[in-house]
Amino acid sequence: GAVVSQHPSWVICKSGTSVKIECRSLDFQATTMFWYRQFPKQSLMLMATSNEGSKATYEQGVEKDKFLINHASLTLSTLTVTSAHPEDSSFYICSARSLAGDNDEQFFGPGTRLTVL
Amino acid sequence: GENVEQHPSTLSVQEGDSAVIKCTYSDSASNYFPWYKQELGKRPQLIIDIRSNVGEKKDQRIAVTLNKTAKHFSLHITETQPEDSAVYFCAATDSWGKLQFGAGTQVVVTP
Repeated sequence: GAVVSQHPSWVICKSGTSVKIECRSLDFQATTMFWYRQFPKQSLMLMATSNEGSKATYEQGVEKDKFLINHASLTLSTLTVTSAHPEDSSFYICSARSLAGDNDEQFFGPGTRLTVL
Repeated sequence: GENVEQHPSTLSVQEGDSAVIKCTYSDSASNYFPWYKQELGKRPQLIIDIRSNVGEKKDQRIAVTLNKTAKHFSLHITETQPEDSAVYFCAATDSWGKLQFGAGTQVVVTP
């Protein structure tokens, strides 16, 4: 149980285009989903917290107009990188916290490798 | 906000020896401390976690200790094997329930 999927697993796009990444909890309902970014040889940095039916909360330094987050249901959150530039190239990972049971643990998706040319 | 520091950044051990990674945190309200193993290009994998009402937890070759007074927690891996080679991250929840990660430790187990 507690499986989180992400789609796509990798994407290559041209500078200036937008890219949408989906995060789904497959076998549980998630009150909260988180979006992280990880540059090579670095740690996971939290970008934003996504709650179903409400606006996402962004961490300091993360542009909300550039990284659009939508959490339309208890099983799906999307991150759209708008007007992507090469410096946005990174590994984007989502996680989800369950509505039921122990809700300290976060279940991570497999990540999406974004390369902006 | 929460600040998590992790040491060492790299750790090389001989197969069969023990590995210890240490972390400190700043937010006294933190109450959940997970440890993750991440292989290259993969998602972080939870290997063990501990809550603030417990001082020590063990799962086979892996153990975690927590000292709430000193605000530090440690991961201990005994009888290391080559497949233990990976990057390990500690984390702590802040007062908002968000995870703050340490910088990571690259563990290399040599046969």
